[in-house]
Amino acid sequence: KAGVTQTPRYLIKTRGQQVTLSCSPISGHRSVSWYQQTPGQGLQFLFEYFSETQRNKGNFPGRFSGRQFSNSRSEMNVSTLELGDSALYLCASSLAQPKNTEAFFGQGTRLTVV
Amino acid sequence: AQSVSQHNHHVILSEAASLELGCNYSYGGTVNLFWYVQYPGQHLQLLLKYFSGDPLVKGIKGFEAEFIKSKFSFNLRKPSVQWSDTAEYFCVIGGNNRLAFGKGNQVVVIP
Repeated sequence: KAGVTQTPRYLIKTRGQQVTLSCSPISGHRSVSWYQQTPGQGLQFLFEYFSETQRNKGNFPGRFSGRQFSNSRSEMNVSTLELGDSALYLCASSLAQPKNTEAFFGQGTRLTVV
Repeated sequence: AQSVSQHNHHVILSEAASLELGCNYSYGGTVNLFWYVQYPGQHLQLLLKYFSGDPLVKGIKGFEAEFIKSKFSFNLRKPSVQWSDTAEYFCVIGGNNRLAFGKGNQVVVIP
């Protein structure tokens, strides 16, 4: 079956702009989580959605937001981009809460802010 | 809050050598424990997991990990590595409705 698909794979944006990233989970998976990966901080949890509801949120400013649609596809949005937002953004889908089951990861979206 | 510590971020070893990666975690409640691996150019994937029961768990490709509750540790081992084990390995804990990742171990196996 198809894996987790993230689009686009690469993005270059300028400071102050906003960006939207997309994640299509594995069919049947209702939980989608987002992570930010940087060389200095490693993988950090952004938020998790289940059945269109945000169940959990990490320690990121309000500029980072997300949503989930009825088909479980999810988007995350970053507004007023800063240089420090440059990172690999990973999406993971799972059948249930990711802490209780295997999470399947996408290839990520590499965001560069200039 | 939950946190995960992995030591020796870069590990270089020869084929057939034994590998052990340390992982210590901090969390006040019950956690589920995972090791995820990322091979070059590929996405993160599950290597093994521990939820309960036998504290020695076996995963794919000959890897195993031991949960020692008293030490808050979940170390990963493989008796004899192969060149194809070159990858980044992440220790992950699941608690408080989220996953928390360690900083990872970059392992390079020299043929």
